[in-house]
Amino acid sequence: AQKITQTQPGMFVQEKEAVTLDCTYDTSDQSYGLFWYKQPSSGEMIFLIYQGSYDEQNATEGRYSLNFQKARKSANLVISASQLGDSAMYFCAMREGGGGSYIPTFGRGTSLIVHP
Amino acid sequence: EPEVTQTPSHQVTQMGQEVILRCVPISNHLYFYWYRQILGQKVEFLVSFYNNEISEKSEIFDDQFSVERPDGSNFTLKIRSTKLEDSAMYFCASSDGGELTEAFFGQGTRLTVV
Repeated sequence: AQKITQTQPGMFVQEKEAVTLDCTYDTSDQSYGLFWYKQPSSGEMIFLIYQGSYDEQNATEGRYSLNFQKARKSANLVISASQLGDSAMYFCAMREGGGGSYIPTFGRGTSLIVHP
Repeated sequence: EPEVTQTPSHQVTQMGQEVILRCVPISNHLYFYWYRQILGQKVEFLVSFYNNEISEKSEIFDDQFSVERPDGSNFTLKIRSTKLEDSAMYFCASSDGGELTEAFFGQGTRLTVV
C-alpha cells in the first residue's frame, strides 16, 4: 500500500488565490513527521513546512499552512495568495518512528500551475 | 543557514563508466540518505546511512551502487558501471534526528549517461 497518496497530478490556480494540495498518509506508528517540499523546474528540492504527529496546532510558514487532520490521516498544504513563482511540483513526505532509519517516503507529487 | 551541498550539479558520463556523486551534509547531522528521481517521475529511496554504515537500502541499490562517508564530512554515492537507465537526478539528504525532525535535501546532481 502507498504510504503517501497525492491524488491530484495537476492543479491550476489564479494568481493571488489560495490553493489546497491534498495529501493522505498511511502509518501505524504513533510518532511520525509530515513534510512538504517544492521542486521548481530547476530541480532542487526545497523544504517548505513540517508537522509532527504530536503537534496540536497546524503548522504555518508564511504563506504556507498545513491542514493536519490526524483522524483522517490527511496533511493538506494550503498556499495562500498564490504567486507566479509558486508554479512547481509539490511533494508530500513522511518520516515514521519505527525501524530506526526514519526514511522520508514521498508521494508522487502534484504539479501546480499559477495563472496570471 | 546550513545547507546540504552536492557536487557536481550536472554530470555527463559514458555508459559503463564509474561516477562518484558527492554530498556534504549539514555538519551535526546523523542520518544520511540518497534518492534518485528519473525525469518527471517519483522520488525513489536508494539508501540510508547511520553510524558509519548502511542502515537500509532499496532494491534499486544493487551491487553497482556503493556509499561512503570517507572523512566525516563528505558522503558519496558511487555507481560502478553506469547504464543508460541510471540517468536521473540524484538527491542527498541529511537529518539530525528521527521522525520528528526535518530532512534537508541538497540541490541534486543531474546525471546523464550517454
